[in-house]
Amino acid sequence: NAGVTQTPKFQVLKTGQSMTLQCAQDMNHEYMSWYRQDPGMGLRLIHYSVGAGITDQGEVPNGYNVSRSTTEDFPLRLLSAAPSQTSVYFCASKRTSGGTDTQYFGPGTRLTVL
Amino acid sequence: RKEVEQDPGPFNVPEGATVAFNCTYSNSASQSFFWYRQDCRKEPKLLMSVYSSGNEDGRFTAQLNRASQYISLLIRDSKLSDSATYLCVVNMNTGFQKLVFGTGTRLLVSP
Repeated sequence: NAGVTQTPKFQVLKTGQSMTLQCAQDMNHEYMSWYRQDPGMGLRLIHYSVGAGITDQGEVPNGYNVSRSTTEDFPLRLLSAAPSQTSVYFCASKRTSGGTDTQYFGPGTRLTVL
Repeated sequence: RKEVEQDPGPFNVPEGATVAFNCTYSNSASQSFFWYRQDCRKEPKLLMSVYSSGNEDGRFTAQLNRASQYISLLIRDSKLSDSATYLCVVNMNTGFQKLVFGTGTRLLVSP
């Protein structure tokens, strides 16, 4: 199993550009989520999904869209990049929507918005 | 008050030392607790879940104190490879899956 994969690993954008961060998992996990990690702050939940066709907002959803057309893929779209979105983005998945199962993280995407 | 609070450290300890980290949480209804480890510029990985009765995994011991709303992580016989940031994670058990991450405690183990 590849686990959770993310592409790209690094990205530099100009303000106003849009892009999609890719995330895929091969563990047949129902639950997938996107976090951002900034210095001095814990990981913050952007969006999450409990299954194909179902998505919902986390605590910092503004400026981001998600979709979940398959169990495996959960892309994150930046609609119009802003410098405040400079961060490290982690995708994660876990087996159930319950709170006790291990959450597996992808290797992260380091995004810089100029 | 932050929902999950940790001392950022760094904790500088020599090899073989015992070190303990605490983490406090604000929501008394929280049900699940975890410690994750994050190496520099890597993704977080689950170190251990924290059970009400406390649990041990080799050199690592995790404990939960619901009355005082904190969890702890004890590392015995520290190794150089234990150098990392340790994240306290709490499932707030609200309407959506609110896993709240602490900012992490950095541990540096020196020879």
